[in-house]
Amino acid sequence: EVQLLESGGGLVQPGGSLRLSCAASGFILKGNAMTWVRQAPGRGLEWVSFIYPDSGHTSYADSVKGRFTLSSDNCRNTLYLQMNNLRAEDTALYYCTKNTYFSFDIWGQGTVVTVSS
Amino acid sequence: QSALTQPPSASGSPGQSVTISCTGSSSDIGGYNYVSWYQYHPGKAPKLMIYEVNKRPSGVPDRFSGFKSGNAASLTVSGLQAEDEADYYCSSYAGSDNWVFGTGTRVTVL
Repeated sequence: EVQLLESGGGLVQPGGSLRLSCAASGFILKGNAMTWVRQAPGRGLEWVSFIYPDSGHTSYADSVKGRFTLSSDNCRNTLYLQMNNLRAEDTALYYCTKNTYFSFDIWGQGTVVTVSS
Repeated sequence: QSALTQPPSASGSPGQSVTISCTGSSSDIGGYNYVSWYQYHPGKAPKLMIYEVNKRPSGVPDRFSGFKSGNAASLTVSGLQAEDEADYYCSSYAGSDNWVFGTGTRVTVL
């Protein structure tokens, strides 16, 4: 069964760092594009970042550019989202998704990030 | 990277149809045939309902259909059922490996 399992969320102070993980099972990351999407409390879905694990090519939303770094460990079949200089507005439920035909067909259950002092 | 515009809410009685609009620009919806729609129950994993404007993944009922014209897209749910009550989000490819989501629409089955 194709699955994505996010982990690493938690409570962090403003300006702090956190690393989210997304473990893929039932398929290999290489050959598939992957994306992180978040939903802040009371707000809609927001596209965060994208990666081609084959090449390591990434892209980021303006709201996180320069602070977030997405990488892929193809041996562990796991994505990592390194989040630095976190702000209150980064508080959200973070989802890892698999891309297909420029859409997102497989989603994890998400991991919660809370940025607060 | 402005969010696509959706109405906050839509509703219909069981058996009726409801259509949700999604308005963007020539940089996203108007520029690509890569509009997708997601059914979302907050706190759970979103579910892909439509991709590439009007294609349904395996397992999605044909009651769900998508359409696009110019810079706007729409999702129609025909024969509304109680289980269709959820939040719905549109999304569009916006070029340069960037995507944008809509503001979301809560569908209520009366």
